[in-house]
Amino acid sequence: TQLLEQSPQFLSIQEGENLTVYCNSSSVFSSLQWYRQEPGEGPVLLVTVVTGGEVKKLKRLTFQFGDARKDSSLHITAAQPGDTGLYLCAGRGAIQGAQKLVFGQGTRLTINP
Amino acid sequence: DAGITQSPRYKITETGRQVTLMCHQTWSHSYMFWYRQDLGHGLRLIYYSAAADITDKGEVPDGYVVSRSKTENFPLTLESATRSQTSVYFCASRDRNSGANVLTFGAGSRLTVL
Repeated sequence: TQLLEQSPQFLSIQEGENLTVYCNSSSVFSSLQWYRQEPGEGPVLLVTVVTGGEVKKLKRLTFQFGDARKDSSLHITAAQPGDTGLYLCAGRGAIQGAQKLVFGQGTRLTINP
Repeated sequence: DAGITQSPRYKITETGRQVTLMCHQTWSHSYMFWYRQDLGHGLRLIYYSAAADITDKGEVPDGYVVSRSKTENFPLTLESATRSQTSVYFCASRDRNSGANVLTFGAGSRLTVL
């Protein structure tokens, strides 16, 4: 069974600070996605990374896929209250179960004004 | 309206009762999925369907039944609800040709089993 471990599970910081969320596994994934979920809503896709070492930027958010395609990170620069939410990473299996995504347990981020 | 809708959004039931959660999507996406979300576990796949009349088990299928007689609908049934099935349930869909495996989620159904 492929597992994704996210850390930290909870993070509360002040507006303007930088932060990094990690998503780690012992398994290889063909691609990895990051979703953000607001209270009372379903997750919404932020980004998909496919190539080992790939870096994608979405405004103040920077996503990186590890060289071995086993881990990923999300870095937020100058966090704002609007960044508050639950961040989920999800991996697509490299071999078996290619049609199914495996989700991490999530990182609940709170940005205080 | 276009999109993916779940109903009911909130449901309270008692142990042993049958409950059906509905999911409807308007895109004619081939793939549909049911996940449950619990604190500390993230999203866990219950069942998925690759097309009408084709369904398969996910990570946590026990106690659940699904059907897919029409492409747009994918109901999830708890035949005899248990307290451990108290959770938030999310339906999602994906187009067969979505190479990036992008899922679009419904807003969720919060189920409480007393």
